[in-house]
Amino acid sequence: GQNIDQPTEMTATEGAIVQINCTYQTSGFNGLFWYQQHAGEAPTFLSYNVLDGLEEKGRFSSFLSRSKGYSYLLLKELQMKDSASYLCAVDLTGANNLFFGTGTRLTVIP
Amino acid sequence: GAGVSQSPSNKVTEKGKDVELRCDPISGHTALYWYRQSLGQGLEFLIYFQGNSAPDKSGLPSDRFSAERTGGSVSTLTIQRTQQEDSAVYLCASSLVLRGAVYNEQFFGPGTRLTVL
Repeated sequence: GQNIDQPTEMTATEGAIVQINCTYQTSGFNGLFWYQQHAGEAPTFLSYNVLDGLEEKGRFSSFLSRSKGYSYLLLKELQMKDSASYLCAVDLTGANNLFFGTGTRLTVIP
Repeated sequence: GAGVSQSPSNKVTEKGKDVELRCDPISGHTALYWYRQSLGQGLEFLIYFQGNSAPDKSGLPSDRFSAERTGGSVSTLTIQRTQQEDSAVYLCASSLVLRGAVYNEQFFGPGTRLTVL
């Protein structure tokens, strides 16, 4: 079977840095995605990793270690609008049928 | 430009009735995906279309669920004899599959919230 683990909830302070971890055990791996989902809205794409290492995109960075089945999303200079759920997803077959974790709900406090 | 649209946005139905959910992908996107998101759960993959064909139907939870896509564009997800456990948000996504692309970003619609009484 497939499994993705993420913390259910996290809280962080405005202006701080937060790291959201994701571990996965899947039968296939063709890359790992991070999506952001504000309450009641559609998920929006944040990042994609297929090779080991860090991908940086503005305030957001994503890291992957394939040997450890581990990824994290790093959010810097947190803003109130970053309060959302962050979804980790693995592309199992390369056909983009994504297997999602249950998501981490991040609350940013003043 | 217009994003992925879904209709209806909300649907309340009685147990045992059939429902049809519609997805209009971004124009030109060749791939279309259906997911289900239950309360407190992650997105659950249901089915994937490339053009009008569905190479992967592995996620459909039962034979009460079916989907079709016509003209390489609009897709409908049909749930027959709905059950209370079918209550969820049904999300559609589309992507432009480019040969040689490292990845294909999926663009999600706002979802249809289905409530089965």
